[in-house]
Amino acid sequence: EPEVTQTPSHQVTQMGQEVILRCVPISNHLYFYWYRQILGQKVEFLVSFYNNEISEKSEIFDDQFSVERPDGSNFTLKIRSTKLEDSAMYFCASSRTGGPLNQPQHFGDGTRLSIL
Amino acid sequence: KQEVTQIPAALSVPEGENLVLNCSFTDSAIYNLQWFRQDPGKGLTSLLLIQSSQREQTSGRLNASLDKSSGRSTLYIAASQPGDSATYLCAVKGDKIIFGKGTRLHILP
Repeated sequence: EPEVTQTPSHQVTQMGQEVILRCVPISNHLYFYWYRQILGQKVEFLVSFYNNEISEKSEIFDDQFSVERPDGSNFTLKIRSTKLEDSAMYFCASSRTGGPLNQPQHFGDGTRLSIL
Repeated sequence: KQEVTQIPAALSVPEGENLVLNCSFTDSAIYNLQWFRQDPGKGLTSLLLIQSSQREQTSGRLNASLDKSSGRSTLYIAASQPGDSATYLCAVKGDKIIFGKGTRLHILP
C-alpha cells in the first residue's frame, strides 16, 4: 500500500538555525498538509497546500514557516529561524481530494524536531 | 473558542468487550468531525469521517456517531481485540481545525 514518507526521522538543530523537513506524499494525491504535535500536547494543524499554493493555514503558521513542492514528488516545510518552542513531532499528510479534515488523509510517521 | 475534550484519557478493557470512546466539543458550528488512531511512534490513521449533515458512519467493527446540537461524538468499537490498542483522537473542523488530546486504549488479552 502506498505510504507517505518523511525524512529525517529525527532532526536536531541549534536555536536560530533554519531547518527543512521533507515529505514524499502518495504519488496520485493532490492535497498536502503539515501538522505538529508538541510532546504530551494535542495535534495541531499547520497548513494545507493544493495546486502549488497554500489553501488554508492556522495561526501557528506565521512568517517563520514556509512550504514548497520543489518537484513532482517532494513536499517540504521550512522553519527559518528555529525557536525552542518549535520542538515537536511534525507530521506530513496527503489526500487525493478535499482540504484538511474534509477527506481521509494518509499520514507519515513524522519527523521529531529537537531545538537545542 | 472551540474546545475538544476526550474523556477518559486512558481506558483498559478485556478483549472481546464492546466499548465507547467519547469526544465533546463546545461550538456546534462544525463542518465535520473525524476519528483517528495513533500507534506509538507512528502517524495518524484516519478511521471515520462524519460530515455535519450526517449522524453516523460505520466501518467494520467501528461506528461513529455525531450529535451536533449536544456537541458530542462517540466511537463505538465492537468485539475489541488487542490490535485495537492505540490512542484514539477526534478532531473537528469549523473555522479552525481542533484536535482532542485523545483516549489511550489498552485491550487486555
